[in-house]
Amino acid sequence: AQSVTQLDSHVSVSEGTPVLLRCNYSSSYSPSLFWYVQHPNKGLQLLLKYTSAATLVKGINGFEAEFKKSETSFHLTKPSAHMSDAAEYFCVVTLTSSGYALNFGKGTSLLVTP
Amino acid sequence: NAGVTQTPKFQVLKTGQSMTLQCAQDMNHEYMSWYRQDPGMGLRLIHYSVGAGITDQGEVPNGYNVSRSTTEDFPLRLLSAAPSQTSVYFCASRSDSSSYNEQFFGPGTRLTVL
Repeated sequence: AQSVTQLDSHVSVSEGTPVLLRCNYSSSYSPSLFWYVQHPNKGLQLLLKYTSAATLVKGINGFEAEFKKSETSFHLTKPSAHMSDAAEYFCVVTLTSSGYALNFGKGTSLLVTP
Repeated sequence: NAGVTQTPKFQVLKTGQSMTLQCAQDMNHEYMSWYRQDPGMGLRLIHYSVGAGITDQGEVPNGYNVSRSTTEDFPLRLLSAAPSQTSVYFCASRSDSSSYNEQFFGPGTRLTVL
């Protein structure tokens, strides 16, 4: 069975400082991993995805994530936070070997202070 | 392309009423799914479909019905609404070719059951 755990429900950073949002997964198969972002009262937007071509994945808006199989982790990082990064972030793993259904983490709320 | 569209955006129901949440996509995607989002719970899969005429249950299917008569449409029916179904509902679609393909989400329907 596949599952995903986001280790922090809330993260607060100052503008201009690094962002780290942590995600661990468990999967019986080679996982497909994604990070989605949801701004207040909006739908979900894909930030980045792990496609097995490279362990370091670059996404939109300066975010990146590193797939570490030995640690079963897929942490999201950004070197310098911007006020517009304040949002809810979801780590997602596929539920089945065919990759049809997604299993969402419970989300991490990122607060960026001036 | 309009992408994934959902109607209505907001709905208030009384306990016991029935209604259908509409979802349509114009990307010719085979896979469509319904999620509900509750505070602190992330998104949980209700039902999904891998093609016209084929549906299956997700994590939280009780109280919901689906059907898929066309590739484009995937309505979600609440047979007898309960306060526990108060939530934000998201429809998503994905092409069938790869488990690494992202899912595209609709803007959501905010449902309140009194």
